[in-house]
Amino acid sequence: GAVVSQHPSRVICKSGTSVKIECRSLDFQATTMFWYRQFPKKSLMLMATSNEGSKATYEQGVEKDKFLINHASLTLSTLTVTSAHPEDSSFYICSARRGLAGTDTQYFGPGTRLTVL
Amino acid sequence: AQSVTQPDIHITVSEGASLELRCNYSYGATPYLFWYVQSPGQGLQLLLKYFSGDTLVQGIKGFEAEFKRSQSSFNLRKPSVHWSDAAEYFCAVGADQAGTALIFGKGTTLSVSS
Repeated sequence: GAVVSQHPSRVICKSGTSVKIECRSLDFQATTMFWYRQFPKKSLMLMATSNEGSKATYEQGVEKDKFLINHASLTLSTLTVTSAHPEDSSFYICSARRGLAGTDTQYFGPGTRLTVL
Repeated sequence: AQSVTQPDIHITVSEGASLELRCNYSYGATPYLFWYVQSPGQGLQLLLKYFSGDTLVQGIKGFEAEFKRSQSSFNLRKPSVHWSDAAEYFCAVGADQAGTALIFGKGTTLSVSS
């Protein structure tokens, strides 16, 4: 099956610093990647959708200047949490879709646990 | 409003017993429904999905789910649970069969007792 990796799996940072999370599709080209945020005992919340080579589409209520998404290649998308604060602490999950909209399915990464002190 | 409700936060089942995880949805258009399983350290894995045809769908690992439009439900079942099935289960509804714009339920934690 298709494999999606995330790096790092866990990161701890100080308040005010920026953190970059990578999402890679290892054995397929992902035309679209998605970023989710998961709170403890809560559902996954879609943050943004990114298509290779174009600007990400953010969901309502998600600050685009705080959560910078770059999808520079068909196998890599990055999420940068800028000027992180304790309330940004969460589990961030990416997924990648191989085919065109309406076909294939999403493959999820294992997630990145961000803790902001 | 579009939403997915999983009424059971935590369920404990004896190994070998049957399992049913409940899921109700509210969606304005034709629903594309999914069940995912999340294990620690691993990404969400798709168990099965429904978008048309036979309302009883078979998935991986012996799971099945039945779509009932009249009840807006998509409950997940397994006839005999194994200890390795202990995990977090999420029901989701999306805009297409690829899972675009997924809306997830809050999940049900399944514990398996011996």
